[in-house]
Amino acid sequence: EDQVTQSPEALRLQEGESSSLNCSYTVSGLRGLFWYRQDPGKGPEFLFTLYSAGEEKEKERLKATLTKKESFLHITAPKPEDSATYLCAVQAQIGTYKYIFGTGTRLKVLA
Amino acid sequence: DTGVSQNPRHKITKRGQNVTFRCDPISEHNRLYWYRQTLGQGPEFLTYFQNEAQLEKSRLLSDRFSAERPKGSFSTLEIQRTEQGDSAMYLCAGMGALELKGQYFGPGTRLTVL
Repeated sequence: EDQVTQSPEALRLQEGESSSLNCSYTVSGLRGLFWYRQDPGKGPEFLFTLYSAGEEKEKERLKATLTKKESFLHITAPKPEDSATYLCAVQAQIGTYKYIFGTGTRLKVLA
Repeated sequence: DTGVSQNPRHKITKRGQNVTFRCDPISEHNRLYWYRQTLGQGPEFLTYFQNEAQLEKSRLLSDRFSAERPKGSFSTLEIQRTEQGDSAMYLCAGMGALELKGQYFGPGTRLTVL
C-alpha cells in the first residue's frame, strides 16, 4: 500500500538554528514528490516538486532533496515566519491521479 | 492568495442534513482535486476531475458524497445525510498542465456537524 510518513511530528527551533524534516515514502513507482507549507486555517501552499533521486530544489532558506526512499526539507537559519506545518505528498506512477499526503511536521521557530 | 475561492468558508449543520460546497479554481486549471482534512492530519484525497470528467474517486468515499464539475470550471461537493464524522476541512485544489508547479489550494470550507 502506498504510504507517506513524516518525522518529527513537531519541531521547535530557535531562530537561526538549522534543521531537517524527513519524509519517507513507499509507493509503486514514484511520479513526483511535493512539499507544501500550511499555515493555520489556510490551504497548503506549494513549495517544491522533486522527480528523481539526487534532485535538489532551493527557495530562500529551504532546500529539498530526494533519495529513492525519502526526502528531506532542510531549513537553514530559520526565522519565526517559517513557523508552519510542512506537508509532503507523493503521486504514484501507475494507475492513479491521486496524491498521498503525510501528516506533516509542525514547525515552531522561536525568536 | 492562490486565486482559488471556496464557499462557504464555514458551515454548521445538523446531523442528517445535506450540504453543498463550491470551489472556483483558476480558470486555466483544467485539473481539480477535492480533499478532506481533519486536525493533525494531512489532506486526504476524495476525488479528481480533468475538465468536466470525474476520473478518480477514493475507494474510501461513502456514496453519500458526490461531486460535479459541470462545465469544467467551478466544482461542487455535496454530502448527503451528514454525520458527525463528516466534520472536517474540505479543500479543493486546481492544477494546470505542469505538475512542476504543484496544486493551488483554496482556503477550504470548514464543516461542523452537530
